[in-house]
Amino acid sequence: DGGITQSPKYLFRKEGQNVTLSCEQNLNHDAMYWYRQDPGQGLRLIYYSQIVNDFQKGDIAEGYSVSREKKESFPLTVTSAQKNPTAFYLCASSVAGTGAHEQFFGPGTRLTVL
Amino acid sequence: GENVEQHPSTLSVQEGDSAVIKCTYSDSASNYFPWYKQELGKGPQLIIDIRSNVGEKKDQRIAVTLNKTAKHFSLHITETQPEDSAVYFCAARLSNFGNEKLTFGTGTRLTIIP
Repeated sequence: DGGITQSPKYLFRKEGQNVTLSCEQNLNHDAMYWYRQDPGQGLRLIYYSQIVNDFQKGDIAEGYSVSREKKESFPLTVTSAQKNPTAFYLCASSVAGTGAHEQFFGPGTRLTVL
Repeated sequence: GENVEQHPSTLSVQEGDSAVIKCTYSDSASNYFPWYKQELGKGPQLIIDIRSNVGEKKDQRIAVTLNKTAKHFSLHITETQPEDSAVYFCAARLSNFGNEKLTFGTGTRLTIIP
């Protein structure tokens, strides 16, 4: 089955700790994205990558970091510098390049910082 | 950058009636407008999309209309069913080379009353 997997589904961390969220896709997509979702708000873009070893900041990149060492993987690290990290995090992927390409979303990881 | 506004934030309709969700966008260069459905605890799924060279698109009970002059687009769901209850997000995308970012609306929670 082709798709996007995110793990874990629920994650709890103590304040001040860094935490890494996993995102893997087997759709052979070049582009991958990380979004943050808060109650009553839309999806806000954290980082995106259109090709291996390259990524760009989205609208709310402060306090987050990413890497893109493999085409199928795009892990997100929530650092201690992120002031309000508790949220639902969504990973997505798509075909890259110009044109209208559907973004496919994973099931999400709900991060709670205690 | 692009700004997308979505209304209403909540919508309740009787089963069998129609539901309409409206979005406006700010950048006239945007040319791709997807709609996503998100069920509780899951990632969003694309339900329909429209490109700027088309005024209307229909897929069974779901239709989207686009008014480029007024910079707004709408989702229409006819003959609503209980399984249509979910949160719906509109989005807009500038199709500049290398720019794959979607800007999302804040979502509409649709409740179908049996």
